[in-house]
Amino acid sequence: EAQVTQNPRYLITVTGKKLTVTCSQNMNHEYMSWYRQDPGLGLRQIYYSMNVEVTDKGDVPEGYKVSRKEKRNFPLILESPSPNQTSLYFCASSYREYQPQHFGDGTRLSIL
Amino acid sequence: KQEVTQIPAALSVPEGENLVLNCSFTDSAIYNLQWFRQDPGKGLTSLLLIQSSQREQTSGRLNASLDKSSGRSTLYIAASQPGDSATYLCAVSGYGGSQGNLIFGKGTKLSVKP
Repeated sequence: EAQVTQNPRYLITVTGKKLTVTCSQNMNHEYMSWYRQDPGLGLRQIYYSMNVEVTDKGDVPEGYKVSRKEKRNFPLILESPSPNQTSLYFCASSYREYQPQHFGDGTRLSIL
Repeated sequence: KQEVTQIPAALSVPEGENLVLNCSFTDSAIYNLQWFRQDPGKGLTSLLLIQSSQREQTSGRLNASLDKSSGRSTLYIAASQPGDSATYLCAVSGYGGSQGNLIFGKGTKLSVKP
């Protein structure tokens, strides 16, 4: 089954404790991206990757890092999480950047 | 800066009705427009994608139209069913930066009552 898989689905942690949210797709897609969804603000892009070893900032990249060492994986790294990063995070992928994007089921992060 | 607005924010209809969801955007320089549905606890599912050169797209009971010059799109749902209950999101992809950077509206929460 074609899918985008995120882990964990839920995480409660404390300020400053490094965490990684993994994202994996099995569709051989070149384009991958991360969004966060906040009440009243909607979905906003954090980072994106056009292909392996090619990443760039989206609209709200502060406090996040990403890497794309393999085509299928695109982890989101919070080096020193803060409470304002409490949000619902989505990973998405598509074959090309202008084609329909497939979204994962989301990761709900709570930073205390 | 591109802004996407969806009206209404919420809509409740009886089963069987035809309905229209509206989306407007401020910058007509878009590459494409997508409609998604979001179910509680789930990710987004792409419903329809309209390229900027197209006027409409259809999939089953769904029809989406695009009027790029006026900055408007509509999603028409025919013969609504309770299973259509979800939040519907409109997103545009612009020419600047990453074409995959979707700018989303805040959604229309649809409830279809049996």
